[in-house]
Amino acid sequence: EDQVTQSPEALRLQEGESSSLNCSYTVSGLRGLFWYRQDPGKGPEFLFTLYSAGEEKEKERLKATLTKKESFLHITAPKPEDSATYLCAVQAADKLIFGTGTRLQVFP
Amino acid sequence: DTGVSQDPRHKITKRGQNVTFRCDPISEHNRLYWYRQTLGQGPEFLTYFQNEAQLEKSRLLSDRFSAERPKGSFSTLEIQRTEQGDSAMYLCASSAGLGYGYTFGSGTRLTVV
Repeated sequence: EDQVTQSPEALRLQEGESSSLNCSYTVSGLRGLFWYRQDPGKGPEFLFTLYSAGEEKEKERLKATLTKKESFLHITAPKPEDSATYLCAVQAADKLIFGTGTRLQVFP
Repeated sequence: DTGVSQDPRHKITKRGQNVTFRCDPISEHNRLYWYRQTLGQGPEFLTYFQNEAQLEKSRLLSDRFSAERPKGSFSTLEIQRTEQGDSAMYLCASSAGLGYGYTFGSGTRLTVV
C-alpha cells in the first residue's frame, strides 16, 4: 500500500537554529515527491517537486533532497515567518497521497 | 487568473441538512481534485476529474457525497444528510496533468452541529 510518514510531528526551533524534517515513503513507481507549506486555515502552498533519487531543490532558507526511500526538508537559519505545517506527498497513480505533516514553530 | 477559488469559505449546517461547495480551478488546468482534511491530519483524497469525466472516487466518498464538473470547468461537491463526522476542511486543487504539482484553493471549512 502506498504510504507517507512524516517526522517529527512537531518541531520547535529558536530563530536561526537549523534543522531537518523527514518524509519516508513507500510507493509503487514514484512519479514525484512534493513538499507543501500550510498555514492555519489555508490550503497547502506548493514548495517543491522532486522526481529522482539524488535530486535537490532550494528556495530561500529551504532545501529539499530525495533518496529512494525518503526525502528531507532542510531549514537553514529559520525565521518566525517559517512557522507552518510542512506536508509531504507522493504521486501514486493519478493522485497525491499526503503525510500527516510536521508542525514547525520558530520563536524569536 | 488568480488561482483556485472555493466558495463558501465557511459553512455551518445542522445535522441532516444538505450542503454544496463550489470550486473554480485554474482555467488551463484539466485535472480537478477534491480532498478532505481534519485537524492534525494531512489531506485525504476524495475524487478527481479529468475535464468533465470523474475518473476515480475514494472509498471515503460514501453515497451521501456526489461531485460534478459540468463542461470541465467549475466543480461542485454536495453532501446529503450531513453528519457530525463530515465536519472538516474540504480542499479543491487543480493540475495541468500527471506529475505536475497541484494548486490548492483556500478550502471550505464545514461544521456540522
